[in-house]
Amino acid sequence: QQQVKQSPQSLIVQKGGISIINCAYENTAFDYFPWYQQFPGKGPALLIAIRPDVSEKKEGRFTISFNKSAKQFSLHIMDSQPGDSATYFCAARGHNFNKFYFGSGTKLNVKP
Amino acid sequence: SQTIHQWPATLVQPVGSPLSLECTVEGTSNPNLYWYRQAAGRGLQLLFYSVGIGQISSEVPQNLSASRPQDRQFILSSKKLLLSDSGFYLCAWSVGANEQFFGPGTRLTVL
Repeated sequence: QQQVKQSPQSLIVQKGGISIINCAYENTAFDYFPWYQQFPGKGPALLIAIRPDVSEKKEGRFTISFNKSAKQFSLHIMDSQPGDSATYFCAARGHNFNKFYFGSGTKLNVKP
Repeated sequence: SQTIHQWPATLVQPVGSPLSLECTVEGTSNPNLYWYRQAAGRGLQLLFYSVGIGQISSEVPQNLSASRPQDRQFILSSKKLLLSDSGFYLCAWSVGANEQFFGPGTRLTVL
């Protein structure tokens, strides 16, 4: 049973466009939602994170939108660049604070 | 600052051979430690996590095992590798209730 569902599986965006990746969860005990960026052959790196008492968090070109009632959150990449081409994972922290549940990943390709 | 090391970076092993992957963390004390496996083009599968020396929680029954002989050392092992054990193995750490930080990974190919 997948605790965090992520879509789309892959995404192609033109340079300068907006990339949007969506995640949904069921467990209302989740209390922390990070996003990770992974380049081929590398470990995932923390990109941005949000807590459920906040509806939006922005860091540079990256924004997380959080809808607590719908149990959904999304990553928006504004002015997407070819260097943003990577796989992105959403995650949610479990109630015991020791486990994180990851989405299946979205492979983003930003075309020049 | 904290750093996490994994070795080896790549490994090619025959079916039935043993495995030992090592992960060490520097610059922090009493971290939570995690082993994940990532199949090609797939998501992250949590294999084991540890909240302290000698304390191992297994998430997926399989022919792998984990040990934590020291506070900042986490080892993934197998007595006999299977073809299905091929993948990208990631170690991660966290402190308290904060986010996880991942190591550079080990690419394992079982032939």
